[in-house]
Amino acid sequence: SQQGEEDPQALSIQEGENATMNCSYKTSINNLQWYRQNSGRGLVHLILIRSNEREKHSGRLRVTLDTSKKSSSLLITASRAADTASYFCATVKAGANNLFFGTGTRLTVIP
Amino acid sequence: GAGVSQTPSNKVTEKGKYVELRCDPISGHTALYWYRQSLGQGPEFLIYFQGTGAADDSGLPNDRFFAVRPEGSVSTLKIQRTERGDSAVYLCASSSPGRGTEAFFGQGTRLTVV
Repeated sequence: SQQGEEDPQALSIQEGENATMNCSYKTSINNLQWYRQNSGRGLVHLILIRSNEREKHSGRLRVTLDTSKKSSSLLITASRAADTASYFCATVKAGANNLFFGTGTRLTVIP
Repeated sequence: GAGVSQTPSNKVTEKGKYVELRCDPISGHTALYWYRQSLGQGPEFLIYFQGTGAADDSGLPNDRFFAVRPEGSVSTLKIQRTERGDSAVYLCASSSPGRGTEAFFGQGTRLTVV
C-alpha cells in the first residue's frame, strides 16, 4: 500500500518558473526522501530530510517538512525542460527501515 | 558493478508460467528492496531484505510471489503461475547499512504476461 500521496498529480509549467509539489503521509517517520523518475524505469534519489529537520536545500531543490501536518513540499526553482519527469516522495517509518512511496507528481516543463 | 543491475530487462511470459527476476545490488549494500510499478502509479513495496533474511515481506500480494537472497547479495524474485495482472515493471533497490539512507535503484524488469 502507498504511504504517501503527492499533489498535484500533474503539473505543467513554463521553463524558468518554479515548480512546487506536495506530499502527505500517514504515520510517524524517521525521514522523508524525494526521488525522480524519467520516462523509463530507474528512480534517482534527490534529497533526504530527517524528521528533526524542517528545511533542506540542494542546488535548485528546496524541501520542507512539517511533521505536525505530516506533509512535505519539494520546490524546484528556475525549472528547465530537463526537469520534466515524475517526482515521488518516499518515507521511512519510525522504527523501521523500509521505504514506502507515494503516488507521484508528473511534472512537464515547457521550453 | 557500479550500480544495481536487474536482469532480464524485459520478460514476456505466458499466463500460468513461472518466472524469475534477478537483482544484483551494489557491493556492500546490506538492504535490498523489491517493488513493482504499474503505469502511472508509484512503486508498490513488495519485500525488504536486511542481509539474507526478509525483514518485511508484507507487500507480497499472495503466495505465488517469493523472494530469496541466500548469500546476502544477489536476490531473486520468483513468481509462480503468472497471471495477466502480474504485468508491471519490477524494481529492485539497495542501500548501505544504517537507517535512513538513500536507495539506489536498478532500471527494472518489465514483465508482460500474455
